[in-house]
This record gives sequence, structure tokens and C-alpha cells, in this order.
Amino acid sequence: GAVVSQHPSRVICKSGTSVKIECRSLDFQATTMFWYRQFPKQSLMLMATSNEGSKATYEQGVEKDKFLINHASLTLSTLTVTSAHPEDSSFYICSARDQTTWDDRGNYGYTFGSGTRLTVV
Amino acid sequence: SQQGEEDPQALSIQEGENATMNCSYKTSINNLQWYRQNSGRGLVHLILIRSNEREKHSGRLRVTLDTSKKSSSLLITASRAADTASYFCAPTGFQKLVFGTGTRLLVSP
Repeated sequence: GAVVSQHPSRVICKSGTSVKIECRSLDFQATTMFWYRQFPKQSLMLMATSNEGSKATYEQGVEKDKFLINHASLTLSTLTVTSAHPEDSSFYICSARDQTTWDDRGNYGYTFGSGTRLTVV
Repeated sequence: SQQGEEDPQALSIQEGENATMNCSYKTSINNLQWYRQNSGRGLVHLILIRSNEREKHSGRLRVTLDTSKKSSSLLITASRAADTASYFCAPTGFQKLVFGTGTRLLVSP
């Protein structure tokens, strides 16, 4: 199946700085990627849908100026947490539609990155 | 929203036993998918069942789907300690993937 590579796996940053998280699709093109955040022992919360060559679509309540998403190529989407604060500390995960599993009825699975643990101190 | 809700929230069993977790949803779907998440890791796609299918098998996994009741179940047979993880269902249309709170499965040796 398809592989999505996410980096870094862990990052610690100082309050007020920005952090960039990268998500790359390996061996396949991902026109759409999704960004989630997850708090301990909670579910994944969809933050935004990243579309190659166009603006991201943010979910209600997610600050687009704080969580900048760029999808400049068919294999790379980035999430930048700007002016990070301790409350932004979380686990961030990206995913892409796995077109290698696409069947003739439009069903497909999703492939996830391994996640990024962000700690803001 | 196509979010699924998993039940139970937590399940603790011994190795060799079977584990059953359930998923309920509210909207029409194209398919339903199950994912596993090991602690501190991303999600891994386990199995996809189409809306016109009632049962599907993959190794030790058995998934059922009842669209009339808007529910699905995931059965893991002969569980192993390595099956310890959180399991999420994702009822899916042609839209984004959203998740419920999941079932945390603990398999003890």
C-alpha cells in the first residue's frame, strides 16, 4: 500500500516560535491531504483539508492564521503552527487518500503519517 | 457529520480470547472503514466494507455491517498482546474522514 512520511516525529519549541510539520506521500500523488490533531486519550480532530494548488479548507473553530497549511506539490503538504503556545501542544497527524486501494465504485482507504508530537514550552 | 461512535470505550481481555467492538453512525454511507492506532502513532487502515456488503474477513479480523441499523462490528479472533491499541471506525461517503473516540483494547498475556 501507499506510504505517507511525516516529519518530524517529535519537536519541542519555545512559546512564540513557529513549527513546520511536513507530510509527504511516497510513490503516489496525493491531491488531497488531511490534518488532524489529537489530545491524550481522545479522538482525532480533523483540522483542515489540504488541496494541492489551492487554499486549504479549515474546519469550524480552527484558526487558519495560526495553522498555516501549504500544499505546493502533489506529494508534499506542510502544516505550520505559528506563534505556538503551550495549549498547541498536541499530536498532529496527516493522512492522504490511498489511491492504490481505490476500487471501481470509488471506495478507498486512507493512509496516515506516523504523527508529530509537538510540545511547546 | 459521518462520525462513528465506538462501543465499548475500553475493553480488557486475555490473550487468545476474542475481542468485539461496535460502531454506530447516523448518516448514509458509501463504505465503513476500521483503523487501528498504536499509542503515539498514526492510524493504520485495517479493513473497508462497502455499503452493499454484510460481512468481510481479513486474517483474524471479521467485520459486519448492518446498514438498516446503521451499525458495524469488528471482531478480532485469537487476540494477541500486539493487538493492544485503539480502534476507530469511520463511516465514509465521498467526504472527509472523521472519527469517534474509539475503543481502547488491552490484551494481556
